[in-house]
Amino acid sequence: AQKITQTQPGMFVQEKEAVTLDCTYDTSDPSYGLFWYKQPSSGEMIFLIYQGSYDQQNATEGRYSLNFQKARKSANLVISASQLGDSAMYFCAMREGSNRDDKIIFGKGTRLHILP
Amino acid sequence: EAGVAQSPRYKIIEKRQSVAFWCNPISGHATLYWYQQILGQGPKLLIQFQNNGVVDDSQLPKDRFSAERLKGVDSTLKIQPAKLEDSAVYLCASSLDSLSGNTIYFGEGSWLTVV
Repeated sequence: AQKITQTQPGMFVQEKEAVTLDCTYDTSDPSYGLFWYKQPSSGEMIFLIYQGSYDQQNATEGRYSLNFQKARKSANLVISASQLGDSAMYFCAMREGSNRDDKIIFGKGTRLHILP
Repeated sequence: EAGVAQSPRYKIIEKRQSVAFWCNPISGHATLYWYQQILGQGPKLLIQFQNNGVVDDSQLPKDRFSAERLKGVDSTLKIQPAKLEDSAVYLCASSLDSLSGNTIYFGEGSWLTVV
């Protein structure tokens, strides 16, 4: 079973609009971390935002915010005031547990296209 | 602070040839990862090191892939012999350690085309 599910393979959004990228996860471990990465066409993976399972507030980083709904196991990324440079692949990822052996796993990604 | 360095950036080889990729993680990062990303898919973990020890290589095709991190810093990933389906981006990443709250940082990737 998939641990990270991103149901939107692609999205088209008008410039300056807000966009929400969906991510649901599956874990039975009470301790976990959720990450969002951006991958432009150049291929590098750029870290955007992190949410810990015990964090009381939703994470925010500039125009990025994470809509964390723990009971629903969702961690949607919200990009406000989208820009042309936001066009890229976006990956949701999770690391479970608090052991040093724990690995990070990725969803299949959502390709975001910002339209001028 | 310097980021994760990888080389070569691009490599084209024929099937059955061998190739090696090099990675230098961020200074002080104990955990190093190699991911394989096939076009259109999310990254898949191949191997994870904690210092110079392997903590997860369950998805590494060990008949053809090998990786080492002898001194707990730099790492090399080797493929021998390469197959067509090995065409992918090989991403190296590092983190302070593998506790859940520690962000992992990626290099720019090594793009491999097997023809």
